[in-house]
Amino acid sequence: QKEVEQDPGPLSVPEGAIVSLNCTYSNSAFQYFMWYRQYSRKGPELLMYTYSSGNKEDGRFTAQVDKSSKYISLFIRDSQPSDSATYLCAMSRIYNQGGKLIFGQGTELSVKP
Amino acid sequence: NAGVTQTPKFQVLKTGQSMTLQCAQDMNHEYMSWYRQDPGMGLRLIHYSVGAGITDQGEVPNGYNVSRSTTEDFPLRLLSAAPSQTSVYFCASSWTSGTNPQETQYFGPGTRLLVL
Repeated sequence: QKEVEQDPGPLSVPEGAIVSLNCTYSNSAFQYFMWYRQYSRKGPELLMYTYSSGNKEDGRFTAQVDKSSKYISLFIRDSQPSDSATYLCAMSRIYNQGGKLIFGQGTELSVKP
Repeated sequence: NAGVTQTPKFQVLKTGQSMTLQCAQDMNHEYMSWYRQDPGMGLRLIHYSVGAGITDQGEVPNGYNVSRSTTEDFPLRLLSAAPSQTSVYFCASSWTSGTNPQETQYFGPGTRLLVL
């Protein structure tokens, strides 16, 4: 069983929809949670990171962490065609662990005009 | 700043050949990592470095070597290429400060490797 599970999709939504992307994990030691966005044939870029449980909002993006359920989510409000990309969740056990991240498989999102 | 650069963009190798994937960053980041990305597998850590002269293994290190003689460069060497090493390879760098954990990494554009 993988430490981090993410539905690969693909997920297709109409422009303006609210998108919910999710990951589950099995290791309760994970403390830091990140979401990366990856456009086709590009490297991943960091969208948001959160520590422990709680919510974090940045513009149209909201990240939620529920450590009791070992479940993290990324919500995208008023989705745009430019949001079409693969979204990867990532986690680490200890702060400043030299960049040792565990990634989910990625969810491919398509926002249709 | 150019950020994280990787060369080559694309490479075809025959089984048994060796090669070096180059990675450089001009942001003076302490931490650098190599990942491979395969369909359905996400990104998996191969090797990482917390500073010049210091490297360690990640999740899938077999068949790869690294060294870090300078802060800027972190090359990945394939010793004897195998078809199972066909993948997209990403180099990443990061730094740490009071509000920025190491995990907020900057990724390069990737190298696509095909081993025949």
